[in-house]
Parts: sequence; structure tokens; C-alpha cells
Amino acid sequence: EPEVTQTPSHQVTQMGQEVILRCVPISNHLYFYWYRQILGQKVEFLVSFYNNEISEKSEIFDDQFSVERPDGSNFTLKIRSTKLEDSAMYFCASRTGTGYSGANVLTFGAGSRLTVL
Amino acid sequence: AQKVTQAQTEISVVEKEDVTLDCVYETRDTTYYLFWYKQPPSGELVFLIRRNSFDEQNEISGRYSWNFQKSTSSFNFTITASQVVDSAVYFCALSEAPVTGGGNKLTFGTGTQLKVEL
Repeated sequence: EPEVTQTPSHQVTQMGQEVILRCVPISNHLYFYWYRQILGQKVEFLVSFYNNEISEKSEIFDDQFSVERPDGSNFTLKIRSTKLEDSAMYFCASRTGTGYSGANVLTFGAGSRLTVL
Repeated sequence: AQKVTQAQTEISVVEKEDVTLDCVYETRDTTYYLFWYKQPPSGELVFLIRRNSFDEQNEISGRYSWNFQKSTSSFNFTITASQVVDSAVYFCALSEAPVTGGGNKLTFGTGTQLKVEL
């Protein structure tokens, strides 16, 4: 079964460092997402991406965050200068186009755990 | 704004007991989708079910069943004859109907930790 692949599975970084989290969505999917989950809390939407641009972003997704789809397969989340409160599990997700036959079911990756010291 | 409430933070049951996880949602959209995801201890999010707002038929899949009631804005999830492997955090989520170019983000509840013991 097709899956969303995320790397790294766990990254430890120092406060103030830049971090790039990588995702390979399912190949025929058109919509891409990043969510985060602070330990023990709910899953929160960060950003959605379609047709090579951001379609929606949350208040969490400030200027320190950026997303990119550099080569048509990878989908990256960059945190420019990490803070302690960025420590969380980051989930990438993707889905197919519009329609009602399961089109808006998001398939999530296994997550990338970011620890900021 | 969309909102999902899972009032049960943690539930503990003994294996083979039935358990119901509650989910109440709020939305102004007339067309929307409801989901349940499972997060086992390994951390990944596993899709369980999707319902659209026009389909209030209850659904059964093996030991899992879902009760969608639009009148009370609830989408409850029942596990029959629970097993230890069912131990996980279960999230209810809500999204608007998909549109071209639209974000179609999921709004998650806070999750219910289910512990099934022998």
C-alpha cells in the first residue's frame, strides 16, 4: 500500500539552529500538509500546499516556518531558528484531488520527532 | 470556526469489554466530513473511518462501529470485545468538503487514550 515517508524519524538540535524535515508524499497526490503534535497534546494543523503554493496556514506557521516542494517529489518543512517550544512530532500528510470517493482522506506519515535543546 | 470535543481524556477497560469513545463537533458548514484516527504507541496516525455529513447511516467494520447523529452533532466510536492491541490514542477529526485548491485541513479533537488491560 502506498505510504507517506518522512525523514528523519528523530532529530535533536540546539535552539537557534535551522532544521529541515523531509517528506515524500504518495506519488499521485496533489495536496500536501504539515501538522504538529506537542507531546501529549492534540494534532494541530500547520500548513497546506497545493499547486506549488501555500493554500492555507495556521497562526502557528509564522515567519520562522517555510515549506517547499523543490523537485516534484519531496515536500519539506524548514524551521529557520528553532525554539524550545518547537519540540514536537511533525506529521506530513497528503491526499488526492477533489471528489467524494475518499478524496479528502489524508494519509499521514509516521512523523518526525524534533527535540530542541 | 470548527471545533471537535473529546471529553474523555482516558478510558481503561478490561479485555473483552465494549467501549465507546465520544466525539462532539461544531461547524457552520453544511457539508463536512468526520474522521477517526488511531495513534498507537509507535506514534503514527492510522486512518480508521470517514463519514460525510449527508450520510447518517451507522457503520460496522468488524469489532468497530460508528454512530453518527447530526441532531446531536456527535460521531461516537464503539469497540466491541476490546483487545490489548486496541490500546492507543483515538482522535476524532472534522474537515470541510474538499474543493479545488482548498486547504481542507483537519481539525482534531484532543484525543482519548484507551488502555485495554488483561
